[in-house]
Amino acid sequence: DAGVIQSPRHEVTEMGQEVTLRCKPISGHNSLFWYRQTMMRGLELLIYFNNNVPIDDSGMPEDRFSAKMPNASFSTLKIQPSEPRDSAVYFCASSKGNEQFFGPGTRLTVL
Amino acid sequence: AQSVAQPEDQVNVAEGNPLTVKCTYSVSGNPYLFWYVQYPNRGLQFLLKYITGDNLVKGSYGFEAEFNKSQTSFHLKKPSALVSDSALYFCAVRRVEDTDKLIFGTGTRLQVFP
Repeated sequence: DAGVIQSPRHEVTEMGQEVTLRCKPISGHNSLFWYRQTMMRGLELLIYFNNNVPIDDSGMPEDRFSAKMPNASFSTLKIQPSEPRDSAVYFCASSKGNEQFFGPGTRLTVL
Repeated sequence: AQSVAQPEDQVNVAEGNPLTVKCTYSVSGNPYLFWYVQYPNRGLQFLLKYITGDNLVKGSYGFEAEFNKSQTSFHLKKPSALVSDSALYFCAVRRVEDTDKLIFGTGTRLQVFP
């Protein structure tokens, strides 16, 4: 099993640009989570899906952030427009009941 | 509301000594409890979990944790620390009745000195 796959691993962009982060969960897992990690705020849950349906998006910071899960094997997190304060490591995780399995993360830098 | 507290930002221990990383939780109902470890520039890795049964849970890399219901604690322990154990450790909780969402603590950085 390849584990949770995230792309890109690193993204550097300029303020105002659109950023799209991608995640492929582990096959057979029915829940998918997007987290953001920064030194200041630690690990924050942004949104999670169960069976491709968004269940809790209360952690999404503002309307600039959106997430989709069009099928069981793919999810995206989009930031439009991006701002320097969005710079962070974004993790995707998947699970099928108990423990979550995390991807390697995408390090986003917004200049 | 559910919550997890990791009272120590950092724990320092000499190699070969026992280590403890503390975690307390607050949840209505029965909890599922987890420990994760994060090495530099990596995602979180699952270490161990308590679901039911024996209060002492053994996990990866020689780590164990003890569920204490009366003290609402789930401290992570290892009898003999290694320099390679140096990492960021997260405790997490969810209610048995809930879906898969975990509530994570703020993390404790473990530094093991040679």
